[in-house]
Amino acid sequence: EDQVTQSPEALRLQEGESSSLNCSYTVSGLRGLFWYRQDPGKGPEFLFTLYSAGEEKEKERLKATLTKKESFLHITAPKPEDSATYLCAVRTISGGSNYKLTFGKGTLLTVNP
Amino acid sequence: GAVVSQHPSRVICKSGTSVKIECRSLDFQATTMFWYRQFPKQSLMLMATSNEGSKATYEQGVEKDKFLINHASLTLSTLTVTSAHPEDSSFYICSVQRLAGVGDEQYFGPGTRLTVT
Repeated sequence: EDQVTQSPEALRLQEGESSSLNCSYTVSGLRGLFWYRQDPGKGPEFLFTLYSAGEEKEKERLKATLTKKESFLHITAPKPEDSATYLCAVRTISGGSNYKLTFGKGTLLTVNP
Repeated sequence: GAVVSQHPSRVICKSGTSVKIECRSLDFQATTMFWYRQFPKQSLMLMATSNEGSKATYEQGVEKDKFLINHASLTLSTLTVTSAHPEDSSFYICSVQRLAGVGDEQYFGPGTRLTVT
């Protein structure tokens, strides 16, 4: 069974204090690892897709990296508007040709001014 | 701009009634759409995969007769919660997938908050 574990569950940072969120996974046949941002009461907002170990992607203050067992979301000099729940998901093939996303429980990030 | 829309954003219904939620792909045609459910402080759980023109594929433990999915066109999928009960109260979110070679991202709608009284 595919498993995704995110840590920590919650993280409080001061504005400008860089840190990293972890996503470890156990899957058979990875077809991509996704990072999303979710604000309260809203749907997830797409951030990154990573496909192979060693791959890195950046967007503003965020950088995502991938190894064979885990992914990190690095947040550099965060601002209060970066406060949100960050979700990690792995995509595998399900039921023939359909893809399936399995999500972790997320990391609730709070950035204090 | 938004890639996926959902309607309604919030709905309150009485126990025993049925509720229909619409999911529209705004930017591209989607042969496959997905329906998720999210309980408070829990992760998104895939309920079913909706394929245009064919029957939906349901995840284990999801009652297909209770959660009716119709994917009638390349831009519209609907989820009908039949004979709703309070335990069906949840946040329902749909998503659409841009196929590999075009972008390969999966975009989510804004969600529908269902409350069953």
